[in-house]
Amino acid sequence: AQSVTQLGSHVSVSEGALVLLRCNYSSSVPPYLFWYVQYPNQGLQLLLKYTTGATLVKGINGFEAEFKKSETSFHLTKPSAHMSDAAEYFCAVTFYGNNRLAFGKGNQVVVIP
Amino acid sequence: NAGVTQTPKFRILKIGQSMTLQCTQDMNHNYMYWYRQDPGMGLKLIYYSVGAGITDKGEVPNGYNVSRSTTEDFPLRLELAAPSQTSVYFCASGGTGATEGAEAFFGQGTRLTVV
Repeated sequence: AQSVTQLGSHVSVSEGALVLLRCNYSSSVPPYLFWYVQYPNQGLQLLLKYTTGATLVKGINGFEAEFKKSETSFHLTKPSAHMSDAAEYFCAVTFYGNNRLAFGKGNQVVVIP
Repeated sequence: NAGVTQTPKFRILKIGQSMTLQCTQDMNHNYMYWYRQDPGMGLKLIYYSVGAGITDKGEVPNGYNVSRSTTEDFPLRLELAAPSQTSVYFCASGGTGATEGAEAFFGQGTRLTVV
């Protein structure tokens, strides 16, 4: 079954430091990959997505992610954390032939002043 | 643009009661989804639909039912509510035509407590 794995449910990062959230998928067929963000008491909104083409994808709020087929990974990064980045982040995947969207367990990001 | 609208936002049910969570979208999307979100567990797919008249089970369908009579609406029915159904429920929609890899747009969620 299609799945994604996110390690470390809670991630603490200092303001101004690098944000790195890891996502690995399980499939021999390259999937479509997404990162979503959820602010408290809100729904999810798309940060960025990879479908085809360039493997380095830029999203909103200074985030980017790189698709690495050899590592079956799609890690999310931001060079410098801001207090407003405190939120929960989800990696998600669909595969060729369907739009059934499966989510990882999420990373709760805390930004320390 | 309304996007995806869910009602109600909050609800408390007693064990054994039934209710319907409403979801409507105005983006003419083919795909619609219902997820439940529990702390530390991410989002689990309950049911999804690829178009009007077509629905399919997700990971955790037991205790729920859905219907999709129109493109816009995708209500989720809870029969005989149980404490295990206490959760936050999200409806989402995405994709038009034969689009693959389409992003999903989410509603604001329904926080349900079963007591």
